[in-house]
Amino acid sequence: NAGVTQTPKFQVLKTGQSMTLQCAQDMNHNSMYWYRQDPGMGLRLIYYSASEGTTDKGEVPNGYNVSRLNKREFSLRLESAAPSQTSVYFCASSLDGLNTEAFFGQGTRLTVV
Amino acid sequence: QKEVEQNSGPLSVPEGAIASLNCTYSDRGSQSFFWYRQYSGKSPELIMFIYSNGDKEDGRFTAQLNKASQYVSLLIRDSQPSDSATYLCAGPLTGGGNKLTFGTGTQLKVEL
Repeated sequence: NAGVTQTPKFQVLKTGQSMTLQCAQDMNHNSMYWYRQDPGMGLRLIYYSASEGTTDKGEVPNGYNVSRLNKREFSLRLESAAPSQTSVYFCASSLDGLNTEAFFGQGTRLTVV
Repeated sequence: QKEVEQNSGPLSVPEGAIASLNCTYSDRGSQSFFWYRQYSGKSPELIMFIYSNGDKEDGRFTAQLNKASQYVSLLIRDSQPSDSATYLCAGPLTGGGNKLTFGTGTQLKVEL
């Protein structure tokens, strides 16, 4: 009954370091999303994947890369972390994009110092 | 400017009252909208999904969609302290594809 699982839950990076946020879903969903949430800004879409092997930019893609490794997994990579990337990151998945409910992971709280 | 706009609040209502949350959107072609609830420090969870004009009711919750005026609303009847949370409106991101964009959220406080 896992749903959407994100790792890690917390992370502190130094400016310039790189890291990958992992996301996996066990609901056989086609669509997967990465969002960031900042105070007063709501959820902003970073990248979206409609299916295995496809990715598309969202509202705030700069500074990030993604990989849809297979149907289950969708990872988000920060190549050179900046303090502006301090945020809470949420991965989500849905069966069929806009016509179905999106289920969210528990979030990753990232601090870049 | 976000494509889905909400008043950030906080909106305070007494216990047992009706809470009314509103959302406007800019893309006239948008077809479907969602309301999510997010408790502090938690992930968003779906409350309602609406894709046709008019009202949709589920228990104490009613979602309303008015495509002519480009707004979506959520009514919570008999508000309870447990309804205190941030409510996020979501809809399609302009540009095609199945990308979901969110408003900034409205914080609701239900007071005893």
